[in-house]
Amino acid sequence: EDKVVQSPLSLVVHEGDTVTLNCSYEVTNFRSLLWYKQEKKAPTFLFMLTSSGIEKKSGRLSSILDKKELFSILNITATQTGDSAVYLCAPGDPNFNKFYFGSGTKLNVKP
Amino acid sequence: EPEVTQTPSHQVTQMGQEVILRCVPISNHLYFYWYRQILGQKVEFLVSFYNNEISEKSEIFDDQFSVERPDGSNFTLKIRSTKLEDSAMYFCASSVRAAGEQYFGPGTRLTVT
Repeated sequence: EDKVVQSPLSLVVHEGDTVTLNCSYEVTNFRSLLWYKQEKKAPTFLFMLTSSGIEKKSGRLSSILDKKELFSILNITATQTGDSAVYLCAPGDPNFNKFYFGSGTKLNVKP
Repeated sequence: EPEVTQTPSHQVTQMGQEVILRCVPISNHLYFYWYRQILGQKVEFLVSFYNNEISEKSEIFDDQFSVERPDGSNFTLKIRSTKLEDSAMYFCASSVRAAGEQYFGPGTRLTVT
């Protein structure tokens, strides 16, 4: 069964727009949730979230986790064409040292 | 900046042949992972490895697969008898701690003909 659901599946915006990407999961006893950006090849690490309600920020990107409601969001403000990629979230099960990747949100930022 | 490396970048093999994919994790990392991604599909967990043994493996990781850390730096994935459906991008990743941030290598594209 699908343990991780990301929405929307794809998104087309224009440069300068703000986007919110969603990740909901069913891994109830996890320790951390990871966000990645995947362009042509390997996923590139963005954030690791371990605590509810604490926002992590890096430039125009920010992310927050809600452990009670089992979801996370990734915000990108003032989008640029270089933000075009697939964004992946992956909650981790510490008991088994295993991560579950979602199918990703494909973001296309048009000039 | 330290990074995970993988070789080869692309491997073409015939069905039934054995392949070994190689990875050099980041030097102070202790947890190692293999993932695969079939073209157009999601990243799938294969196996995690810590302290010279498998921590967890997925249903995909059957008897045809094995992992090894033959020395202090390399981490390998072996597929004994490749099938057409093994064609995918294989990523190695490493992290300092369990369920911690993982850094991915550039991947090996395996094509089974």
